[in-house]
Order: sequence, then C-alpha cells, then structure tokens
Amino acid sequence: DAGVIQSPRHEVTEMGQEVTLRCKPISGHDYLFWYRQTMMRGLELLIYFNNNVPIDDSGMPEDRFSAKMPNASFSTLKIQPSEPRDSAVYFCASSLANWGGGSEQFFGPGTRLTVL
Amino acid sequence: TQLLEQSPQFLSIQEGENLTVYCNSSSVFSSLQWYRQEPGEGPVLLVTVVTGGEVKKLKRLTFQFGDARKDSSLHITAAQPGDTGLYLCAGAVAGGGADGLTFGKGTHLIIQP
Repeated sequence: DAGVIQSPRHEVTEMGQEVTLRCKPISGHDYLFWYRQTMMRGLELLIYFNNNVPIDDSGMPEDRFSAKMPNASFSTLKIQPSEPRDSAVYFCASSLANWGGGSEQFFGPGTRLTVL
Repeated sequence: TQLLEQSPQFLSIQEGENLTVYCNSSSVFSSLQWYRQEPGEGPVLLVTVVTGGEVKKLKRLTFQFGDARKDSSLHITAAQPGDTGLYLCAGAVAGGGADGLTFGKGTHLIIQP
C-alpha cells in the first residue's frame, strides 16, 4: 500500500485566496483525521471522519475552514479566504476502527502551507 | 480535553549519551502511544503501552507507562544521530472515540555526531 497520500506537498498563496488540500487515506481504514502542526501549538486535531461522516469538527478554527469526504478514498480541507496565520503544516491521517481508544494513526507526509 | 505535557521541549546531546524524555498528564489514559516525526514527514508510531507499569523495549529505546497510567517516559541508550527527530506522545481515553487521542507538543531531539 502506498500509505496516506496528500497533495500538494507545498502551497504558497496570497492572503484572501482559496486553498484546497487533498488526502487519499489507506484503503480499508474507517477513520480519517485532519491535523494542523505549528511550533507554537504543536499538532492540533481539526476534524475527523468515521465512514465518510464528519464526527467532530470542534477543532476547526473558524468558518473559513471546511472539510469534506465524498467517498472512502478522498477528502479535502478547504480554507477560504486564507490568512497568514493559517500558515502551518497540515497532516491527514487514517486508522482502522477504534478499539476503545488509540488505534494507530498513519500519517501522510503533510502539506506545508504558506500564506503571504 | 486531556492535556499532555512533554519535557524537555528541546534536547541536544552528543552521540553515545543516554537520555530520557517525559510525558505527563493529570488525566488517566487507557493507552499511550509514542510517535517519532522526522523533518518533512508525518509522525510514525513507535510503540503503544496499555498497562500501568508496562515497559516495552525497541532496540535502544525503552518505554514505560506509569503505574497510574497518567505519565510515560522514553529512555534512549547510546543515542545515535539517526535518533534525531520530534518525539510525540499521544494519550487515548477508553470509550472516548477517535477524539480520545490527544497529542503532546513533543520533544525536539538532536543527536550530534
């Protein structure tokens, strides 16, 4: 298996532009997670899906952020409009069904977003 | 939300030295995971500990889960440059669903040759 695939790997955009990050989870995994990582705040969970259904989006910073999972093999995280404070590395991860807390999460390589 | 505090935040030592990093919380976890993240990559799971007092060894790495399941430590013996990376601990709460996995901010480890 190729693992979790994310695209693009790097994105540089200007403030106010729309940004779309893409993720292909590992085939057969039930859970998909979107994280944001910065030096100041560490790894923050933004939203996660179970069987393509959003379960908890309480980590999404504000209405400018949205995520979708139209099918089991694809998810997007969209920021519109983007702001400089959104600059971070965004990770997608997937895992098998949770066995009561703490199934191994498999992370993609991340998308480094820079908003100028 | 359960908070996990990792210490030290940064550590730079010479090759061959021993080191211990810590992961502490006031909350009880059903299990605790350690991940390692290398520059430009996502975190990769090293180990999961589930029983209070449990000790697991992975070559030169020794992981321990506290008796009360509130804390954990990672000890590296004879550190090598290949051990350089960000070490993250993540605690899980039984029945908490996927959002029961809370990550600490990590320890940035540099092993100098």
